[in-house]
Amino acid sequence: DAKTTQPNSMESNEEEPVHLPCNHSTISGTDYIHWYRQLPSQGPEYVIHGLTSNVNNRMASLAIAEDRKSSTLILHRATLRDAAVYYCILRHNQGGKLIFGQGTELSVKP
Amino acid sequence: GAGVSQSPSNKVTEKGKDVELRCDPISGHTALYWYRQSLGQGLEFLIYFQGNSAPDKSGLPSDRFSAERTGGSVSTLTIQRTQQEDSAVYLCASSFLGTGELFFGEGSRLTVL
Repeated sequence: DAKTTQPNSMESNEEEPVHLPCNHSTISGTDYIHWYRQLPSQGPEYVIHGLTSNVNNRMASLAIAEDRKSSTLILHRATLRDAAVYYCILRHNQGGKLIFGQGTELSVKP
Repeated sequence: GAGVSQSPSNKVTEKGKDVELRCDPISGHTALYWYRQSLGQGLEFLIYFQGNSAPDKSGLPSDRFSAERTGGSVSTLTIQRTQQEDSAVYLCASSFLGTGELFFGEGSRLTVL
């Protein structure tokens, strides 16, 4: 499975944008980039995914580099409820298991 | 309910006993996943079921761990002769086919004394 690299932790201020980076230099053409997050004492929840083009949904935006070797999850206005561990995962287009790394622990300050 | 349901939510057992953890996936979801998460750690993949295909058991840590899925729906994760290092939260997830987003349950917290 292709590997992703994320910073261990990041801090943000409430109501400011947050850019969470992810490096995946060994990504293959058939790998989708998925993001999940895990709030304290809960199971992970899906955030967003993409292949080549940037993606937007109600939770976040995903910006994918042109060479696809990195991507950035963007939270446009961080709230205290966005404090969580954010996981960047590569998933083959055929689906199957997701392998979670250590993720980035995001803290949001009021 | 509409979500993934896991039981029990908490289980305390003695070392050497067998335990069974149950997962009820979302209706219509053909793929089912088991993960475990030790305190302060990330998620560790255990096993993946998709439809009638042979399960991907590549994450099971030892032969004390097994899982089955009956009728393409409910799954049971069994841990035999539990050890203290088995203490963790066991998370189940399901998805539509094997390509959809995963929906996770609340987990079963296992404590082995």
